Amino acid sequence: DAKTTQPPSMDCAEGRAANLPCNHSTISGNEYVYWYRQIHSQGPQYIIHGLKNNETNEMASLIITEDRKSSTLILPHATLRDTAVYYCIVRRFSGSARQLTFGSGTQLTVLP
Amino acid sequence: EAQVTQNPRYLITVTGKKLTVTCSQNMNHEYMSWYRQDPGLGLRQIYYSMNVEVTDKGDVPEGYKVSRKEKRNFPLILESPSPNQTSLYFCASSLKGSGANVLTFGAGSRLTVL
Repeated sequence: DAKTTQPPSMDCAEGRAANLPCNHSTISGNEYVYWYRQIHSQGPQYIIHGLKNNETNEMASLIITEDRKSSTLILPHATLRDTAVYYCIVRRFSGSARQLTFGSGTQLTVLP
Repeated sequence: EAQVTQNPRYLITVTGKKLTVTCSQNMNHEYMSWYRQDPGLGLRQIYYSMNVEVTDKGDVPEGYKVSRKEKRNFPLILESPSPNQTSLYFCASSLKGSGANVLTFGAGSRLTVL
């Protein structure tokens, strides 16, 4: 799986958009980009994934650059409950059964 | 409610005393996996199972065993626990082990081996 690089920490004001960047410059054409988050020591929670096109769901939006070497997760109106570690992961579509490799992630702190 | 259930959530044990951490999912998922999480090391995969009776090693399988006799259950067995297995453990499942499937994680089991 391609390696990802994320900033170790970010702050965001409550009610503002949180934009979390991820670099995956070695991504190959059949690798999806996934985002998960982990609140304190709870089980990681799936947020969103995408291959080429931008994606949006009820939790977030995922913007993938045209060359697919980086992406941004956007939480449109961050709340205090969005404080968590956010993981950006890439995974082969062809089915590397060993699944996702979680790196260190970005600690997002939403400030009141 | 669709979920992955792990038990026990917390356990303190002593070196060498065999223990089993159970994992059960109610979503008819084929794929199940165990991870451990340690400070500074992130989540590392221990074992995974593509389906019933099909299991394989992840990145850190030493000291662990698993079995998959039923689709819904995937217990993690520590035959002779050691202090370096003190960790936070997560079980996860997904519909399949390939393709664009997402993992659903359990709440975690915090194990301390003295």
